[in-house]
Amino acid sequence: EAGVTQSPRYAVLQEGQAVSFWCDPISGHDTLYWYQQPRDQGPQLLVYFRDEAVIDNSQLPSDRFSAVRPKGTNSTLKIQSAKQGDTATYLCASSLGDHAEQFFGPGTRLTVL
Amino acid sequence: GQQVQQSPASLVLQEGENAELQCNFSSTATQLQWFYQSPGGSLVSLLSNPSGTKHTGRLTSTTVTKERRSSLHISSSQTTDSGTYLCAIETGNTGKLIFGLGTTLQVQP
Repeated sequence: EAGVTQSPRYAVLQEGQAVSFWCDPISGHDTLYWYQQPRDQGPQLLVYFRDEAVIDNSQLPSDRFSAVRPKGTNSTLKIQSAKQGDTATYLCASSLGDHAEQFFGPGTRLTVL
Repeated sequence: GQQVQQSPASLVLQEGENAELQCNFSSTATQLQWFYQSPGGSLVSLLSNPSGTKHTGRLTSTTVTKERRSSLHISSSQTTDSGTYLCAIETGNTGKLIFGLGTTLQVQP
């Protein structure tokens, strides 16, 4: 069974540029999460979906970040105008049901110059 | 304050020694996971253990829910065990995992 896949694996931007990250969860998993992991810190949740619905996006900087999961399968996280403080690894995870084990993808390492 | 605290922050062992990693948390956990992360690598789920004791291979996790603590025991450590071990909890019905800062393990040959 394929795990969570993400692309691209790396991205390097100048401040002000836009970037999109893509995630394909484990087949059949209804819940999808996006986490941000700054260097030398633990991951922090940005947003999560149950099927196509946003359940919690309270930690998503809404002025520049957006996330969608239109068909309840794949998801895209977009940063409109990147800042140096956005430099981090962006991790996607998926799970099935409530309080379930979460499985993580390889992440996208973003560097904003 | 930090909701999930891990100790020690770092640990250096000789190959073959055992490791004991601790995780303490300030809220009731409805889910608890231990993860392994190699430098620059992805998060690998090791164990999902919100209560009781679970074993997999050389790993044993014991979680005492009422005391809000969990441990991860690594027996007969190998150099390939080197990396960062992260503890994460879910509280209530939030759905999100809250991570500790991790324990960095270095196993020397």
